[in-house]
Amino acid sequence: RKEVEQDPGPFNVPEGATVAFNCTYSNSASQSFFWYRQDCRKEPKLLMSVYSSGNEDGRFTAQLNRASQYISLLIRDSKLSDSATYLCVVSSGSARQLTFGSGTQLTVLP
Amino acid sequence: GAVVSQHPSWVICKSGTSVKIECRSLDFQATTMFWYRQFPKQSLMLMATSNEGSKATYEQGVEKDKFLINHASLTLSTLTVTSAHPEDSSFYICSATGLAGGFSYNEQFFGPGTRLTVL
Repeated sequence: RKEVEQDPGPFNVPEGATVAFNCTYSNSASQSFFWYRQDCRKEPKLLMSVYSSGNEDGRFTAQLNRASQYISLLIRDSKLSDSATYLCVVSSGSARQLTFGSGTQLTVLP
Repeated sequence: GAVVSQHPSWVICKSGTSVKIECRSLDFQATTMFWYRQFPKQSLMLMATSNEGSKATYEQGVEKDKFLINHASLTLSTLTVTSAHPEDSSFYICSATGLAGGFSYNEQFFGPGTRLTVL
């Protein structure tokens, strides 16, 4: 079983749509959780950290359910520029050991 | 934010040659650097972790004699793919974390990656 599992997609949605990504992790000792965004042939970039209380950054909302070992990302009012692969990332301690999911591909259509 | 550079951004080489990839932290002291590999449509896989001045710690299944890592300074780590073969063709990405102005980062900063193609 993979340590971090994501639905690979692809998700093709129209502009303005709301889209949700899910992720599950297997290591119950995981302590830190992140969503990264990776554009084609580029390095991953931190989108947001995920906290137990849930957190929001503009159109992006992330939630964590430790009991279910489940992480989600909600994108509202999607833009063309949101097209990318979204990586669910888990760390067992500090940022010194990151485990990446294989990513969910999103394409926002005009 | 902290900046990490990688060089070269892409390289094409013949089978059997060695390729060196450099990873530099431009505005902070990279006490720890990480090397990842990403095959098409797959996740980033950690290859090794290197602390400045120490030998790298390799993940299971990564051959340390094939992927030589040197982290001799607080701003530079190199990955050398020795005797590269077509199956080594991949996207190699480094990341770094460390110190700036007495502040310890709790985040990894990624380089732009190096695309290696072995013919």
